[in-house]
Amino acid sequence: KAGVTQTPRYLIKTRGQQVTLSCSPISGHRSVSWYQQTPGQGLQFLFEYFSETQRNKGNFPGRFSGRQFSNSRSEMNVSTLELGDSALYLCASSLEGSGRGEQYFGPGTRLTVT
Amino acid sequence: SQQGEEDPQALSIQEGENATMNCSYKTSINNLQWYRQNSGRGLVHLILIRSNEREKHSGRLRVTLDTSKKSSSLLITASRAADTASYFCATDRGAGKSTFGDGTTLTVKP
Repeated sequence: KAGVTQTPRYLIKTRGQQVTLSCSPISGHRSVSWYQQTPGQGLQFLFEYFSETQRNKGNFPGRFSGRQFSNSRSEMNVSTLELGDSALYLCASSLEGSGRGEQYFGPGTRLTVT
Repeated sequence: SQQGEEDPQALSIQEGENATMNCSYKTSINNLQWYRQNSGRGLVHLILIRSNEREKHSGRLRVTLDTSKKSSSLLITASRAADTASYFCATDRGAGKSTFGDGTTLTVKP
């Protein structure tokens, strides 16, 4: 089985721009969760999608949004980028969903905001 | 603040030695998981232990869970240079999100 894939792997954006990140889960997994990882804040949960519905949301501003398609692929969007949004963004897929068992992580998208 | 906190923050040992890292959490959980992350890459799931289990083994890994103390430990036996990575515990409270700790950075010197 192919693993979780994320595109792009690296991204450089300017403050004020917006960005869309993509995640393709493992075949058969209906849950996709997104995490932000920074040296200062560690791994923080952004949101989880299950069968095209947002099921859980972390404590991030509304500039962070996401969606999931019928094939379980998910996208995450960040609008009006700030310097503090520079981070490694990780997505994870699972059968049962975040908080319910094992998650499989993608390699991440490294976003740099200048 | 994070639900899980790993201790120590950093650990440096020689190849062949055992490495032990601990995770403490604050509220009751359904299960606890350990993950490994090599520098700047995605996390790899190592082991899941449910709240009604006390110990699990997987190869050179041994995980214990003490729900009365709200703590877990990960033991890596006969460590190798390839074990150099950051290790995270993640607590699951069910019907919600996994909450990760800040991680323990393990360095195994050849």
